[in-house]
Amino acid sequence: AQSVTQPDIHITVSEGASLELRCNYSYGATPYLFWYVQSPGQGLQLLLKYFSGDTLVQGIKGFEAEFKRSQSSFNLRKPSVHWSDAAEYFCAVANNNAGNMLTFGGGTRLMVKP
Amino acid sequence: DGGITQSPKYLFRKEGQNVTLSCEQNLNHDAMYWYRQDPGQGLRLIYYSQIVNDFQKGDIAEGYSVSREKKESFPLTVTSAQKNPTAFYLCASRTSGGYSTDTQYFGPGTRLTVL
Repeated sequence: AQSVTQPDIHITVSEGASLELRCNYSYGATPYLFWYVQSPGQGLQLLLKYFSGDTLVQGIKGFEAEFKRSQSSFNLRKPSVHWSDAAEYFCAVANNNAGNMLTFGGGTRLMVKP
Repeated sequence: DGGITQSPKYLFRKEGQNVTLSCEQNLNHDAMYWYRQDPGQGLRLIYYSQIVNDFQKGDIAEGYSVSREKKESFPLTVTSAQKNPTAFYLCASRTSGGYSTDTQYFGPGTRLTVL
């Protein structure tokens, strides 16, 4: 069965600093990977996704993620964090043999210091 | 305005009562999903439906039921058999045109509290 691990439950960065959120997955075939962001009390918004091709994918709000098959990782990055980026971030992998079910990591809560 | 709507936003229920959460989408998506989110945790799949009149259990289906009588609607009933129903419930939908890589889009969620 597939699984997703986000090792960091909380991360605090200063505004303007760079950010990297870690995601490790376990999946038997070619993974389809996603990053979503959730503001408090809201639904999830898609930041970016990886299906195939270029291993560096660009998303909305200045985020990018790099797929590294050898490390089973799909880390999310942003060169300069804004206060509005404070939210919870979820990494997910799709099971394409079961209705495209998503398996989510536990999430990383990002706090931004002024 | 295209999207996924969930109602109500907040719902309170007494123990022993069934309650139904609404999810509607006007995106013409074939597949719909229900997830449960507990504080500080990721999302867990309750049920999903890939076409009308068909649905499958997810990882935590016990104590829940669904129906899919219309393409745009996928209501979730939280029954009295669900032992710990207080949670945030998220509905999602996805196109299902043979492209397994399509993306799931989420509604704004319903927060259910059992008193």
